[in-house]
Amino acid sequence: DIQMTQSPSSLSASVGDRVTITCQASQDISNYLNWYQQKPGKAPKLLIYDASNLETGVPSRFSGSGSGTDFTFTISSLQPEDIATYYCQQYDNLPPAFGQGTRLEIK
Amino acid sequence: QVQLQESGPGLVKPSQTLSLTCTVSGGSISSGGYYWSWIRQHPGKGLEWIGYIYYSGSTYYNPSLKSRVTISVDTSKNQFSLKLSSVTAADTAVYYCARVGTKRTDFDYWGQGTLVTVSS
Repeated sequence: DIQMTQSPSSLSASVGDRVTITCQASQDISNYLNWYQQKPGKAPKLLIYDASNLETGVPSRFSGSGSGTDFTFTISSLQPEDIATYYCQQYDNLPPAFGQGTRLEIK
Repeated sequence: QVQLQESGPGLVKPSQTLSLTCTVSGGSISSGGYYWSWIRQHPGKGLEWIGYIYYSGSTYYNPSLKSRVTISVDTSKNQFSLKLSSVTAADTAVYYCARVGTKRTDFDYWGQGTLVTVSS
């Protein structure tokens, strides 16, 4: 099975900051990497699919990049409503696997 | 707008079988084009994919749970279901149903999740 390693596991930033989360796959997954936002008590919400494509309706301050084994998720200007846990997820091979999550807090 | 809704008992005794149903509205399971998945999240932890089913009944299960999992579909009710046998406290989690396109890799619609606690 493919393992996904996210870092950092938690992050504290100020409103307006640029925030970056990384995700590393244990083997080449091409661009089959997705990013989700999960707020407490809610289901995950798809933000980015296929590494860099913004899901419809998602604000443009969210972006993703990368291919192969190394991927990056960026919030260009952190907003208070972005406080959540973020997960990467691969689907190159079954079973799909998620990273362990990055908890984002406001400083 | 597609909506998914999980239902089932919130409390299951150890060694028994956990049973959940996901009702889909706003779209037909039998129209094809999507795999219908179950995903769980242990309290305060990450996400674990359990398995999926296609409208035809073909399934794929996570090897880590395969011996205990059965996913079935009822196209007449636009529902799919999860059965997890021989549960222990380690199966206590929020269980989500979700959809992924057959030509996509992302879970685009999710249910709100249901907490299942395994306890005597």
